[in-house]
Amino acid sequence: DAKTTQPNSMESNEEEPVHLPCNHSTISGTDYIHWYRQLPSQGPEYVIHGLTSNVNNRMASLAIAEDRKSSTLILHRATLRDAAVYYCILGSNDYKLSFGAGTTVTVRA
Amino acid sequence: DAGVTQSPTHLIKTRGQQVTLRCSPKSGHDTVSWYQQALGQGPQFIFQYYEEEERQRGNFPDRFSGHQFPNYSSELNVNALLLGDSALYLCASSTTGGDTEAFFGQGTRLTVV
Repeated sequence: DAKTTQPNSMESNEEEPVHLPCNHSTISGTDYIHWYRQLPSQGPEYVIHGLTSNVNNRMASLAIAEDRKSSTLILHRATLRDAAVYYCILGSNDYKLSFGAGTTVTVRA
Repeated sequence: DAGVTQSPTHLIKTRGQQVTLRCSPKSGHDTVSWYQQALGQGPQFIFQYYEEEERQRGNFPDRFSGHQFPNYSSELNVNALLLGDSALYLCASSTTGGDTEAFFGQGTRLTVV
């Protein structure tokens, strides 16, 4: 499985942006970059995914490096409800999602 | 749309027993995957079902087996339960393809005593 590396934890203040980095130096040409998050006592929730170009949706933005060896999930204005574990995952044609330990995001009021 | 539903939500079993967990996928989804999440860790892929066949399997022993029905719902069976099988079991549904979004259920919390 292609691996991803994320910081263990990050803290942010409410209403401020959060930039979550992810390194995936062994990414293959067909791997999609997925982000999921897991709130306490819930199943993981899809956030965003992309292949080569930057992506935006109502939840977040995904910035992908030109060489695709790293990416950054951007939460534009953190709220208390964004406190969760964020997982960066490479999705290949073998269909499974290989979760790592993720980044625990804490949002301060 | 009810999304992905799992049952039961909580379960307590004794070592050596067998357990069956159930999952109904989101409407329109034909692919069901099962994950095991131990406390404080990320989910680990168990296996995936598509067209009633096991398509992909993670590093889990044969005690873990599954089934997918014609209506795309799925079951996860675990035989000869061990204390280490205590975990949150998550079901995810999707359409097939590496670039699709997976929807997860709330999980079944299994405790083996």
